[in-house]
Amino acid sequence: EDQVTQSPEALRLQEGESSSLNCSYTVSGLRGLFWYRQDPGKGPEFLFTLYSAGEEKEKERLKATITKKESFLHITAPKPEDSATYLCAVQAGGGADGLTFGKGTHLIIQP
Amino acid sequence: DTAVSQTPKYLVTQMGNDKSIKCEQNLGHDTMYWYKQDSKKFLKIMFSYNNKELIINETVPNRFSPKSPDKAHLNLHINSLELGDSAVYFCASSRLAGEQYFGPGTRLTVT
Repeated sequence: EDQVTQSPEALRLQEGESSSLNCSYTVSGLRGLFWYRQDPGKGPEFLFTLYSAGEEKEKERLKATITKKESFLHITAPKPEDSATYLCAVQAGGGADGLTFGKGTHLIIQP
Repeated sequence: DTAVSQTPKYLVTQMGNDKSIKCEQNLGHDTMYWYKQDSKKFLKIMFSYNNKELIINETVPNRFSPKSPDKAHLNLHINSLELGDSAVYFCASSRLAGEQYFGPGTRLTVT
């Protein structure tokens, strides 16, 4: 069974204080690993897809990396508007399979 | 333009009733999904559907059924609603095996 574990569950940072979120995964035949951002009362917003170990993707203050067992979402010099829940998910098997999500990391950036 | 839309946004109903949630996507995607987010904010796949196959998560009660009138729509029908069905339901769409784009969610409350 595919499993995704995210840590920490919650993280409070000062504005400008860089950190990383962790996503450990177990999947038979990784098709893709996805990062999403979810704001309260809204649907998950797509951030990145990573397909294989060593791959990196970057967008503004966010950078996602992946190994064979883990993925990291690095946040550099965060701002209050980066506050959200960050979700990691994996897709395995056939192309129409749904995503298996972790429970998310609730990130709060204090001004 | 809204990429993935759902109606209604809120749905309050009594136990035993039958209800439907509608989902439409204008992204030209060929695969659509329904997810359930419980009170602990954990997202779980319910169904994946494209014009060739329906994949049902084995934990989903058969009171839930997806209906797709065409490639742009995937509605969710729920029969004999129970208290435990209260949750936020998200529709999503993607190209086959691509990143998924989520709708805004429908908060279902069963009283």
